[in-house]
Amino acid sequence: GAGVSQSPSNKVTEKGKDVELRCDPISGHTALYWYRQSLGQGLEFLIYFQGNSAPDKSGLPSDRFSAERTGGSVSTLTIQRTQQEDSAVYLCASSLGGQYYGYTFGSGTRLTVV
Amino acid sequence: AQSVTQLDSQVPVFEEAPVELRCNYSSSVSVYLFWYVQYPNQGLQLLLKYLSGSTLVKGINGFEAEFNKSQTSFHLRKPSVHISDTAEYFCAVSETGGSNYKLTFGKGTLLTVNP
Repeated sequence: GAGVSQSPSNKVTEKGKDVELRCDPISGHTALYWYRQSLGQGLEFLIYFQGNSAPDKSGLPSDRFSAERTGGSVSTLTIQRTQQEDSAVYLCASSLGGQYYGYTFGSGTRLTVV
Repeated sequence: AQSVTQLDSQVPVFEEAPVELRCNYSSSVSVYLFWYVQYPNQGLQLLLKYLSGSTLVKGINGFEAEFNKSQTSFHLRKPSVHISDTAEYFCAVSETGGSNYKLTFGKGTLLTVNP
């Protein structure tokens, strides 16, 4: 596609439920990133995929968070047993793989845990 | 590990006034530097980047930034702002070399341009 596509754009879930957030990167982009944006906290790195290499999971806040990237393309971020502090905007970005290009961001998924 | 400090969380200015958004970074290695803009209810968009060469970098929408290695700063400037520049601006840094292209972001500066 022309840009990075994220779905759903908004998600309201009950505390304790599991949620899946989807990211469809730009075709040909080998790198894919997930960030979390909370009010007043800037962007918090979650996880990074680069080609066939093992992902950098160093930013995942707890073992309730996991992500996968199938076939080097679409990625799914899963949050199990959601808590109210998980409420945030989850942003996905992709790039050609080098710093030279910067990232292309999707519009994000706004997650609200009630 | 690197970190980014954006010194002002909010900057209100009047239309056609100049503006400077401040960014300082900390890193034990050489870095690349970026500014992103986020308009309401949208994702982030790359404004400009410093990779190497001239320390004065020009970006989209009339913005520019200057890399100052001795002061570890990368301040963003525009000589005359418009209402449409109202947005949140994020400074970001990544390490040069290596294979991890992860960006570390500052907490953002909300620029509000008033008529």
